[in-house]
Amino acid sequence: QVQLVESGGGLVKPGGSLRLSCAASGFTFSDYYMSWIRQAPGKGLEWVSYISSSGSTIYYADSVKGRFTISRDNAKNSLYLQMNSLRAEDTAVYYCARRDTAIQSAYYYYYYMDVWGKGTTVTVSS
Amino acid sequence: DIQMTQSPSSLSASVGDRVTITCRASQSISSYLNWYQQKPGKAPKLLIYAASSLQSGVPSRFSGSGSGTDFTLTISSLQPEDFATYYCQQSYSTPPTFGPGTKVDIK
Repeated sequence: QVQLVESGGGLVKPGGSLRLSCAASGFTFSDYYMSWIRQAPGKGLEWVSYISSSGSTIYYADSVKGRFTISRDNAKNSLYLQMNSLRAEDTAVYYCARRDTAIQSAYYYYYYMDVWGKGTTVTVSS
Repeated sequence: DIQMTQSPSSLSASVGDRVTITCRASQSISSYLNWYQQKPGKAPKLLIYAASSLQSGVPSRFSGSGSGTDFTLTISSLQPEDFATYYCQQSYSTPPTFGPGTKVDIK
């Protein structure tokens, strides 16, 4: 079945680094844009980054730009998030999600995140 | 960035009630609006995309409407498994942004 499984979370000190992974299965990974979304404890959802199917197009939230790097390995059906210079405010559950597209009237492209992993917890604390 | 707001922030309802949640965008987003449901300790689940299209497998008691800046999610007859937090999200422009959520709990 279609599945995303995140790993790599943990406890890290401020200023430290962590690399998250997301393993995809049950679909053609190389056909889809992929995103990372996070949720701080007791808070709402915050989009972090996305990467195009080929990896050629990448966007980041301003809050992580210059510190986080998204990448993917289509041969390994895997998505990554390298997180450097971590701060306390990066503490969150990190989800990877597949971005799908609905095309209406052959002109309108609607994007949505239809498959989510269970998340991996990142805690930044001294 | 496009700001998303939701109202109410929380509501209490009974099984069988009709529930309506409102989402507003800070600028027109046409129909580029998605709705997600999240239960405690679980990942979000897509309910509605393109403002009114029901995601496969989602019960028909969920419906979405609206365009431009104002949108609604309606649950026609609330079921025990619907007690959760609901988020809207715009996909009109990058960065995609979420509303703050509406928590639906048991009256």
